[in-house]
Amino acid sequence: EIVMTQSPATLSVSPGERATVSCRASQSVSSNLAWYQQKPGQAPRLLIHGASTRATGLPARFSGSGSGTEFTLTITSLQSEDFAVYYCLQYNNWPPYTFGQGTKVEIK
Amino acid sequence: QVQLQESGPGLVKPSETLSLNCTVSGGSISTYYWTWIRQPPGKGLEWIGYISHTGSTNYNPSLKSRVTISVDRSKNQFSLKLTSMTAADTAIYSCARQSYGDYIDYWGLGTLVTVSS
Repeated sequence: EIVMTQSPATLSVSPGERATVSCRASQSVSSNLAWYQQKPGQAPRLLIHGASTRATGLPARFSGSGSGTEFTLTITSLQSEDFAVYYCLQYNNWPPYTFGQGTKVEIK
Repeated sequence: QVQLQESGPGLVKPSETLSLNCTVSGGSISTYYWTWIRQPPGKGLEWIGYISHTGSTNYNPSLKSRVTISVDRSKNQFSLKLTSMTAADTAIYSCARQSYGDYIDYWGLGTLVTVSS
């Protein structure tokens, strides 16, 4: 089973600043990685798939990068609606598909 | 816009079987893969398994002996059965659409299932 490790667990950022969330895989997952955003009381929302392909309608301030074992989700100029929990998912080696533990992006 | 809605009991007794349904609207269940995921309180997300548009299934090896996912095309609905429930199975259970074995693109809100006598 591939273990996905996200860091940091919590990220405190001021509105307008940049947020960077990392996801590391225990072995290569190629570019088969997705990122999700979850707000309280809402279903997770797909942000990025294929490590760097933005989902339809996603603002350009969200970007994904990386391949192999190291991945990054970057949110430039954080807006109030971006404060949420972010998860990564690998879909390269399965079963099982595996998720990171989540990163909470909170207001500093 | 695809929407998914879970339904089922919020409380299950130890050793009993959990049965959940997921109703899909805004899209046909005869395409894509349909998935169950759970998240125990304070813990991470765990993929349970999927059923494909052809009816083939794939389960998490850690749960495989206890899980069955099935589909009812007439109701545009798919279901989860998890046997021999214990307190460790207490979690928010969510259904989702998975893009032909790749990433998950739509999720339901999830339903909390508590295992307690």
